[in-house]
Amino acid sequence: QVQLVESGGGVVQPGRSLRLSCAASGLKFRNYGFHWVRQAPGKGLEWVTFIWYDGSNKYYADSVKGRFTISRDNSKNTLYLQMDSLRAEDTAVYYCVTDASWPAGYFPHWGQGTLVTVSS
Amino acid sequence: QSALTQPPSASGSPGQSVTISCTGTSNDVGGYNYVSWYQQHPGKAPKLVIYEVSKRPSGVPDRFSGSKSGNTASLTVSGLQAEDEADFYCSSYAGSNNLVFGGGTKLTVL
Repeated sequence: QVQLVESGGGVVQPGRSLRLSCAASGLKFRNYGFHWVRQAPGKGLEWVTFIWYDGSNKYYADSVKGRFTISRDNSKNTLYLQMDSLRAEDTAVYYCVTDASWPAGYFPHWGQGTLVTVSS
Repeated sequence: QSALTQPPSASGSPGQSVTISCTGTSNDVGGYNYVSWYQQHPGKAPKLVIYEVSKRPSGVPDRFSGSKSGNTASLTVSGLQAEDEADFYCSSYAGSNNLVFGGGTKLTVL
């Protein structure tokens, strides 16, 4: 079955950078678009970013535009999220999710999430 | 992008039906048939229960159904069971390659 395993979370100071990874298995990685969705502690879900199956197009929420970069390595079945200029409000669990049919925008598969804490 | 509006809480007794609303605008919910619903149990990742307004993924019981009227989408859970108790989130495509979620509804089975 599909498995998405995020890693790279941790505690980081405001203004610093962090890179998240998502290792995918059980699917033909290069055929799927992927998103990052985050959830602040005790709060709701927030869409962050989306990358096409071939990496040719990338979209971002206004809250992260210019600071976060999504990328993928189809040879390694791995998705990335480079997070720069981190702020306290970026503190959240970050989920890697598969895209079913953009712009229909629904997510059949989710990872377990990785916690990012931005704090001095 | 503004979040979609959901009631903070909903409740029902076992066997009853409960409907959760999700209100947006003509730029998101009202403009596209791209509304999805997710169920999230405490400490777990969300699970897709409805997509494209009213379609159910395989494995999701037919007790879960979705609909839309104008700028408001709805999720109905029929024949409530104890395991349905969870947080529910709606989402919608919002144009210009953006997607927006609702604030979430905590469903309690009394």
